[in-house]
Amino acid sequence: AQTVTQSQPEMSVQEAETVTLSCTYDTSESDYYLFWYKQPPSRQMILVIRQEAYKQQNATENRFSVNFQKAAKSFSLKISDSQLGDAAMYFCAYRAIGGTSYGKLTFGQGTILTVHP
Amino acid sequence: DSGVTQTPKHLITATGQRVTLRCSPRSGDLSVYWYQQSLDQGLQFLIHYYNGEERAKGNILERFSAQQFPDLHSELNLSSLELGDSALYFCASSPDGTSGGARLAKNIQYFGAGTRLSVL
Repeated sequence: AQTVTQSQPEMSVQEAETVTLSCTYDTSESDYYLFWYKQPPSRQMILVIRQEAYKQQNATENRFSVNFQKAAKSFSLKISDSQLGDAAMYFCAYRAIGGTSYGKLTFGQGTILTVHP
Repeated sequence: DSGVTQTPKHLITATGQRVTLRCSPRSGDLSVYWYQQSLDQGLQFLIHYYNGEERAKGNILERFSAQQFPDLHSELNLSSLELGDSALYFCASSPDGTSGGARLAKNIQYFGAGTRLSVL
């Protein structure tokens, strides 16, 4: 079974600085999707960024970028120029492409990000 | 706004009772996924429906059931409720197998705002 691990329960960053959230996963598949979701105090789950495993190029979305290391099964999220609105719980998620696990998202435990003004 | 609608937003009920949570997916999405978020278990997959058919089950209790109707909305039924069932229940929708569009875009899950269930 696939597992996702976020080893940092909490992180903090100063406004305008850069922070990196870590995520590792375990799978025997070669093709899959990886996602970062943000959950602010409103509890809404918001997609931040996504990555296809077969694409070597790291995904970027404005101030958000990932460092995808397939061999190491690592998928970290970098937030540049941090803003107060970035404060939230961040979840890393894995989605299989096929097999019996197809479809469902497997989530890590989450990392609470605090942004200091 | 994700386009996924969940009702009600909050539910307060007593142990032993039965409740129904409703989810309307984004227009055109054929898949509906249900997840439970609790403090001790984190975010866990419960069940997946695609175009009216059950596709996969996760850590869903036998007291829980779900269905997807012809208009693609879905309901999650929770019965014989226990204190430990108190949680935030999310549904998410995805195009999945619908034709057209890039592969990754078809496989993104969009979440509703959740239903917070409190069992007293």
